[in-house]
Amino acid sequence: SQTIHQWPATLVQPVGSPLSLECTVEGTSNPNLYWYRQAAGRGLQLLFYSVGIGQISSEVPQNLSASRPQDRQFILSSKKLLLSDSGFYLCAWSGTRDYEQYFGPGTRLTVT
Amino acid sequence: QKEVEQDPGPLSVPEGAIVSLNCTYSNSAFQYFMWYRQYSRKGPELLMYTYSSGNKEDGRFTAQVDKSSKYISLFIRDSQPSDSATYLCAMRLSGYALNFGKGTSLLVTP
Repeated sequence: SQTIHQWPATLVQPVGSPLSLECTVEGTSNPNLYWYRQAAGRGLQLLFYSVGIGQISSEVPQNLSASRPQDRQFILSSKKLLLSDSGFYLCAWSGTRDYEQYFGPGTRLTVT
Repeated sequence: QKEVEQDPGPLSVPEGAIVSLNCTYSNSAFQYFMWYRQYSRKGPELLMYTYSSGNKEDGRFTAQVDKSSKYISLFIRDSQPSDSATYLCAMRLSGYALNFGKGTSLLVTP
């Protein structure tokens, strides 16, 4: 069966510091990978998606970036965090049925 | 007008009740309709997905889509305290992005 991991689970970072969140998927090959953000009182917002190694599409312009260095690894980064970057960051994967997306446990980021 | 509307609740029901959760949408081009369950501080869990108008049943859960009214529902029969969570509807137009509702908070009391 497929499993998706995210770490860290929680993170508190000062404004202006860098960020690196990691997501890995087990039990499947060539998944589509997604980064979402869930801010308080708002719905899930797609930030990035990837259909293959090195292929990243951005949905929302911002100070975040994503990379996919390996087939089952997806990384979300920032060079300088803003207060508005606080939220719950969720990684998801899908197979050929891209509407069928499965989420990881999430990383709760607080920028102070 | 937001594309996907969902009453945030909270909705409180006694154990054993039938629960009805609903979403409306504005874009008639949405093709796939999903329901997710999210426990506090956890990632969303996919419960069901449907494509066409009509009903789809899975155990105690029934998903209903009415494309003519742009309205989808999730029914939970014989609700249990373990069903207490936030329920998110999601829809896909095309491409990879899902459009999510903000979620309805459900509390099932013993």
